[in-house]
Amino acid sequence: EAQVTQNPRYLITVTGKKLTVTCSQNMNHEYMSWYRQDPGLGLRQIYYSMNVEVTDKGDVPEGYKVSRKEKRNFPLILESPSPNQTSLYFCASSFLPSGEQYFGPGTRLTVT
Amino acid sequence: GENVEQHPSTLSVQEGDSAVIKCTYSDSASNYFPWYKQELGKRPQLIIDIRSNVGEKKDQRIAVTLNKTAKHFSLHITETQPEDSAVYFCAASIIGNYGQNFVFGPGTRLSVLP
Repeated sequence: EAQVTQNPRYLITVTGKKLTVTCSQNMNHEYMSWYRQDPGLGLRQIYYSMNVEVTDKGDVPEGYKVSRKEKRNFPLILESPSPNQTSLYFCASSFLPSGEQYFGPGTRLTVT
Repeated sequence: GENVEQHPSTLSVQEGDSAVIKCTYSDSASNYFPWYKQELGKRPQLIIDIRSNVGEKKDQRIAVTLNKTAKHFSLHITETQPEDSAVYFCAASIIGNYGQNFVFGPGTRLSVLP
């Protein structure tokens, strides 16, 4: 089954404790993105990647890191999480830059 | 950078009526405009998209129109059904050699009343 998976689905952590949210797709897509979703603000792009080892900042990259060492994986790293990073996070992938983005199920992160 | 505004923020219609959601964007270089539907507790899913070289696109009960001069685009849903109830997001993107930087609107919560 073609899909985008994210882990964990839910995470409660404390300020400053490094964490990684994994994202994996099995559709051989070149393009992948991370978004955060907050009430009233829609989806905001954090980082995107055009291929292995090629990434670029979206609109809200501060406090986040990404890596793309393999085509299928695009982990999101929070080196020192803060409460303002409490949000719902979505990973997405697409075959073409102007093609349909397939979203993962989301990761709800709470930073206390 | 790009800024996308979306109106209305909430919309209630009677089943069978039409619904229209409007978005405006600021960057004239934007060339790809998708619409996503997000049901409660679920992930966003693409329902229709349009590229800057096209003025209108239809898919059954859904249509999108684009006015590049005015920098706005709209989603039209006809013969609405209860299953159309969801949050709808528009987005604008500049598709180029460096990938896909998407900017989404804040969303419209559509309620279709039976």
